[in-house]
Amino acid sequence: DTEVTQTPKHLVMGMTNKKSLKCEQHMGHRAMYWYKQKAKKPPELMFVYSYEKLSINESVPSRFSPECPNSSLLNLHLHALQPEDSALYLCASSKYNTDTQYFGPGTRLTVL
Amino acid sequence: KNEVEQSPQNLTAQEGEFITINCSYSVGISALHWLQQHPGGGIVSLFMLSSGKKKHGRLIATINIQEKHSSLHITASHPRDSAVYICAALYIQGAQKLVFGQGTRLTINP
Repeated sequence: DTEVTQTPKHLVMGMTNKKSLKCEQHMGHRAMYWYKQKAKKPPELMFVYSYEKLSINESVPSRFSPECPNSSLLNLHLHALQPEDSALYLCASSKYNTDTQYFGPGTRLTVL
Repeated sequence: KNEVEQSPQNLTAQEGEFITINCSYSVGISALHWLQQHPGGGIVSLFMLSSGKKKHGRLIATINIQEKHSSLHITASHPRDSAVYICAALYIQGAQKLVFGQGTRLTINP
């Protein structure tokens, strides 16, 4: 199984809603990543988890809250988002943080 | 400053043409990645290189450490190769994270 899965595929939420994005991999990878990608731009790193511990937070606003409940699962909790947070949110994983990253299909988020 | 520059930004070619996309970076990388992204989302990792050359099907990636330059070549291009190709460098100094180029939008016409 060389797949990273993400749910949901699409999400529309209001600015007062609370929602969560989910990412899962069963490749035994110990590094997992959240990226944000705006249209026609490269991905921007948000968070890195290494061995289930947060190792990098790229000064992301606190309305985004990551969680890594176990080595296969990565969540991104969303609360009080702004319309400018609308983007494609990509999850990735790698065996270690210096290895090839495998990307999920992304969640397309629209904030109204 | 750790940067990655790609060229060209946009490339349109006819089916069957040989395609080259270029990437240059600053000193001190541990690896260079080439990624492919089709319209609508998901990113596929094509190659990870630290030296020399790699080939997979019609795709070839090369890296020249002395010149701090990498190229992605596509032979016998096909409309299904139309996508955005992104190079990304993993720098040794600082946090172990990818620094992305701006991407090359490739369109192959039949």
